[in-house]
Amino acid sequence: EIVLTQSPGILSLSPGEKATLSCRASQSLSGNQLAWYQQRPGQAPRLLMYGASDRPPFIPDRFSGSGSGTDFTLTISRLGPEDFAVYYCQQYGTSPFTFGPGTTVDIK
Amino acid sequence: EVQLVQSGAEVKKPGESLTISCEASGYSFTMYWIGWVRQTPGKGLEWLGIIYPGDSDTRYSPSFEGQLTISADKSIDTAYLQWSSLKASDTATYFCVRQQTADYWGQGTQVTVSS
Repeated sequence: EIVLTQSPGILSLSPGEKATLSCRASQSLSGNQLAWYQQRPGQAPRLLMYGASDRPPFIPDRFSGSGSGTDFTLTISRLGPEDFAVYYCQQYGTSPFTFGPGTTVDIK
Repeated sequence: EVQLVQSGAEVKKPGESLTISCEASGYSFTMYWIGWVRQTPGKGLEWLGIIYPGDSDTRYSPSFEGQLTISADKSIDTAYLQWSSLKASDTATYFCVRQQTADYWGQGTQVTVSS
């Protein structure tokens, strides 16, 4: 099973600041099959990024993804008030698909 | 508009059976995989398995194989997750999702198993 590790566990920032979230895999992900999700309190997660760097059409361009192999990054260029949430990475290239433990982005 | 609408919250006793549902709309149900994910405070998000409604091809995560059953009825665009004998450890919120990339999520079904 591929284990995903996310860092930091908690990121305290102010609105307008840049957020950089990391996801590391225990083995190389084939085809960069890594996704990022955002979960706000009381809501289901929503897809932010797939294929490590592809953004669905409904996601603002302040969200960007990068990385390959075992190291991946989600960047939020300028935090809006609605971006304070928990962020999860997931690998979907090798069964069983697995999620990281999440990074909480909270207001400083 | 793509929507996945799940059945409501359930409270059950250990040993009881349960089926929860996920009704899809706004796209061709038989052409996309439907997966199930559970969320608990202790273990976070876990992938349970996935089904292709077009031919009922079903894949389970090894940790959950034999513990639950995933199925789909393409005549009513609905996927199901069922248990024959619930345990307290099945207490969680369960989400259905479209595709391996989970581009759409149901609203979640809270399942509580307690004596």
